[in-house]
Amino acid sequence: GQNIDQPTEMTATEGAIVQINCTYQTSGFNGLFWYQQHAGEAPTFLSYNVLDGLEEKGRFSSFLSRSKGYSYLLLKELQMKDSASYLCAASGSNYQLIWGAGTKLIIKP
Amino acid sequence: GAVVSQHPSWVICKSGTSVKIECRSLDFQATTMFWYRQFPKQSLMLMATSNEGSKATYEQGVEKDKFLINHASLTLSTLTVTSAHPEDSSFYICSARDVGGNDRGEQYFGPGTRLTVT
Repeated sequence: GQNIDQPTEMTATEGAIVQINCTYQTSGFNGLFWYQQHAGEAPTFLSYNVLDGLEEKGRFSSFLSRSKGYSYLLLKELQMKDSASYLCAASGSNYQLIWGAGTKLIIKP
Repeated sequence: GAVVSQHPSWVICKSGTSVKIECRSLDFQATTMFWYRQFPKQSLMLMATSNEGSKATYEQGVEKDKFLINHASLTLSTLTVTSAHPEDSSFYICSARDVGGNDRGEQYFGPGTRLTVT
């Protein structure tokens, strides 16, 4: 079957680093997306990985291991505005996205 | 680029009435659009996948006669909540795929419509 797993909630301190993990099982694989969703708003695109390795984009980085069915989103120098839900989504066969339930990230001062 | 709009952004309606929500891709053609629903503090739930010119595919548990989806053109899909009840109050979000470009499955989201049924 197809499945995406990510932690339900994480807490981190302002200025620190946090890593949000995601494991996936899909029939067919065309890449892994991370989206950010603030409360009451629609998701916004953060990153896309299709090859193994780390993609860095400012304070945010995303990693993919296709052989392990594993990805993580790394957030550095955390700011209060980073408090949000982070959604992991795998692009499966026919490029249909399979969504994780999201990880709620709470940033404390 | 890849902008998706939704209208209205919020709506309040009385129980038993119908509400139509529009989703438009403003600068690209979207052969496939998606409708999601999100209750407070819960995750995004896919309701249906809408393909231009054909019938929508509904997820298990979503009543197709209650949530009518029409995707009449490459830039517009509509969701009509018929005979709305208070339990239909939710945040409805659409997204679209740009299959004309380098499609990797990315979905571009509209800003969402908050529906309150009284």
